[in-house]
Amino acid sequence: SYVLTQPPSVSVAPGKTARVTCGGDNIGSKPVHWYQQKPGRAPVLVIYYDTNRPSGIPERVSGSNSGNTATLTISRVEAGDEADYYCQVWDRNSDHYVFGTGTKVTVL
Amino acid sequence: QVQLVESGGGLVKPGGSLRLSCAASGFTFRDYYMSWIRQAPGKGLEWVSYISSSGRIMFYSDSVKGRFTISRDNAKNSLHLQMSSLRVEDTAVYSCAGGSGSYFDFDIWGQGTLVTVSS
Repeated sequence: SYVLTQPPSVSVAPGKTARVTCGGDNIGSKPVHWYQQKPGRAPVLVIYYDTNRPSGIPERVSGSNSGNTATLTISRVEAGDEADYYCQVWDRNSDHYVFGTGTKVTVL
Repeated sequence: QVQLVESGGGLVKPGGSLRLSCAASGFTFRDYYMSWIRQAPGKGLEWVSYISSSGRIMFYSDSVKGRFTISRDNAKNSLHLQMSSLRVEDTAVYSCAGGSGSYFDFDIWGQGTLVTVSS
């Protein structure tokens, strides 16, 4: 089955840039989506199809996807960005959704 | 406003059954594909099941296939998950989520309902 691997944690100082990676076999060939989840809250879609922001998501949130790694980038990090982040793809080979292992972003 | 509200969770013994429901409002439910996604305490997101907007196509994760059944009623704007032969490892918050795009993303999520399987 298809596996998506994320680092368990990323720490970043306010105002700096946080990068969360999502590794998968030839993931660059699949649309990747990213979700933000704060404690006790439902996940929120922050990036869809690699690079697209839903309405209401700030421009400092961006995504990229190439080769075996997709990346979520949060620029000018704020305290409110502290959350768990998950990548997600649809695996056509198995007709299964796959979520990444999740990354906790901590703002120092 | 756009809303998904789950219900039906609770405490059940191993081997038991439970039926979850998800009530949709504030959007055109029949245009959305839907899924159930669960999150065990302190763990990550795990996809459980998918149903197409028409209800004709369903998929299941390997861990629940043969035990869970997803269904929807577009006339009543509702989604359901019938769970049987429940196991301790099925304990989790179960959330419904939906999308309308071409890329299998989820742009609407519910808050979830807790299912606890314990003797």
